Amino acid sequence: NAGVTQTPKFHILKTGQSMTLQCAQDMNHGYMSWYRQDPGMGLRLIYYSAAAGTTDKEVPNGYNVSRLNTEDFPLRLVSAAPSQTSVYLCASSYRDSPRPQHFGDGTRLSIL
Amino acid sequence: AQTVTQSQPEMSVQEAETVTLSCTYDTSESDYYLFWYKQPPSRQMILVIRQEAYKQQNATENRFSVNFQKAAKSFSLKISDSQLGDAAMYFCAYNSGYALNFGKGTSLLVTP
Repeated sequence: NAGVTQTPKFHILKTGQSMTLQCAQDMNHGYMSWYRQDPGMGLRLIYYSAAAGTTDKEVPNGYNVSRLNTEDFPLRLVSAAPSQTSVYLCASSYRDSPRPQHFGDGTRLSIL
Repeated sequence: AQTVTQSQPEMSVQEAETVTLSCTYDTSESDYYLFWYKQPPSRQMILVIRQEAYKQQNATENRFSVNFQKAAKSFSLKISDSQLGDAAMYFCAYNSGYALNFGKGTSLLVTP
């Protein structure tokens, strides 16, 4: 059971380039979320999806998501900006309460 | 919006001793969940312990226990018999909906 898998683990982008961060889970979890983690700031929610076919926007600046199936929840940076340099963590959880979330190992993204 | 505050950016404890990490939160809701997550240098977020707000009894998981004071909106984590492997960032998190609100974290150093 792989849990939550994120790829790539590291990446460097130039300003203005686009990129998709991949996230997949094999636990049949309904909820999936993306967080960004910056030094001294904890984790901040970017997007979440309550089920396949739905997304609920939290912070729209420069990000886009899709949830075509239960397993995958890719995060797309449309036109990368240096302010998006961060560690991106994907998480999933069951629909029932409580919802302790299972996290992937993260993608460290640097935008020059 | 719910806020989570961890007032101790860094803490230090000697091996085999006990340490308490503080967390306060702000909410107007009565039904919610609280979590402590551990993040070692590997970046993997590991669930340490969780507490349902409707339960008066404090949660305990082996060497980890919480002091949940609902009226004071306080949720501290006590680590007993500290081990070198406990060294990590610890995040307090609040959940009442789809995703988690995190504090900024406390870095725990364990000295031999």
